[in-house]
Amino acid sequence: AQTVTQSQPEMSVQEAETVTLSCTYDTSESDYYLFWYKQPPSRQMILVIRQEAYKQQNATENRFSVNFQKAAKSFSLKISDSQLGDAAMYFCAYRSDNQGGKLIFGQGTELSVKP
Amino acid sequence: NAGVTQTPKFRVLKTGQSMTLLCAQDMNHEYMYWYRQDPGMGLRLIHYSVGEGTTAKGEVPDGYNVSRLKKQNFLLGLESAAPSQTSVYFCASSQHSGQVRGYTFGSGTRLTVV
Repeated sequence: AQTVTQSQPEMSVQEAETVTLSCTYDTSESDYYLFWYKQPPSRQMILVIRQEAYKQQNATENRFSVNFQKAAKSFSLKISDSQLGDAAMYFCAYRSDNQGGKLIFGQGTELSVKP
Repeated sequence: NAGVTQTPKFRVLKTGQSMTLLCAQDMNHEYMYWYRQDPGMGLRLIHYSVGEGTTAKGEVPDGYNVSRLKKQNFLLGLESAAPSQTSVYFCASSQHSGQVRGYTFGSGTRLTVV
């Protein structure tokens, strides 16, 4: 079975600085998708960025980018120019096409942004 | 607005009571999911459905039942609530696996069992 691990329960960053959130996963599959979701205090789950495993190029979305290392099964999220609104819980998630498309989540990383 | 709607948003139950959580989506998504979120454990899959009339167990299915009689609705039932089922419950939906653009989540239901 696939597993997703986020080893940083909490992270802190100064406003305008850069922070990297770590995520590792375990799978025997070759085709899959990886996601980062943001959950602010409102509880809403917001998609930050996604990566297809077959793509070698790392995904980017404005200030958010990933470092996808398929062989190492690592999928870290980099937030540049951090803003107060980035403060939230961040979840890494894995999706396989072979199991009803279900998402498997990591434990989450609580990010705080200091002004 | 298009999306996933969960009802109710909050509920307090006594141990042994039953209840049903409703999830409705208007995006014609094939796949629907129920997750529970607990501190330090992320979101864990309870049950899911890949189409109308089909359901399957997820990671933590014990104590829950589901039904998907209509494509747009996915119901989660608790037959005899226990304090261990105190949690925040999320419903989500997605398109067929060949068109992965992400998932749409509901706003969650906070359930407390006393």
